[in-house]
Amino acid sequence: DIVMTQSPDSLAVSLGERATINCRSSQNVLYSSNNQNYLAWYQQKPGQPPKLLIYWASTRESGVPDRFSGSGSGTDFTLSISSLQAEDVAVYYCQQYYGTPPTFGQGTKVEI
Amino acid sequence: QVHLQQWGAGLLKPSETLSLTCAVSGVSFSDYYWNWIRQSPGKGLEWIGEIKHSGSTNYNPSLKSRVTISVDTSKNQFSLQVTSVTAADTAVYYCARGTSAIAVRRFDYWGQGTLVTISS
Repeated sequence: DIVMTQSPDSLAVSLGERATINCRSSQNVLYSSNNQNYLAWYQQKPGQPPKLLIYWASTRESGVPDRFSGSGSGTDFTLSISSLQAEDVAVYYCQQYYGTPPTFGQGTKVEI
Repeated sequence: QVHLQQWGAGLLKPSETLSLTCAVSGVSFSDYYWNWIRQSPGKGLEWIGEIKHSGSTNYNPSLKSRVTISVDTSKNQFSLQVTSVTAADTAVYYCARGTSAIAVRRFDYWGQGTLVTISS
């Protein structure tokens, strides 16, 4: 299985400041035939299921605020929240869908 | 609006069979892959498997020997069974929509989750 490792496990960010979460895959998740990174990001708030934020490493899901952005390629990826809002307090997960089974990172808790 | 509503027993004894069902509305059931995913404190988020309306399935190899996912296209529902459960199967179980593409397994709509506890 492809192992997804996120860092840090938690971070505290002031309102309006930038939050940056890293994700590393144990294998390349860039598919050469279509030049797409098979990498998604999710947000999970307490008592709720995960919510898809970004796919193909950098494509925002419909309705997701543009303060959320994804970058990276191959094995190293980043989720950035440009100006943290109170409603962004959550746990964030990366997920690869290049290999079977799809696998998730352990999560990064973002607090104010 | 896409909606996934799931239900099933929340408390089981070791060796029993876990059964959950997910009803889908607001979308063409036949166009997508339908998935089960679980979340536990120990193992985090874990993909269990998927099914298409045709009945074609794919499972996580780590669970394949104990898992069956089935579909009822007349009701736009799909179901999960896990046999011989142990405490390690204690988790919140989610149903989720995948994509329409083969092996593009990301999940954009989720059920509300069902906490399943395995305890004697």
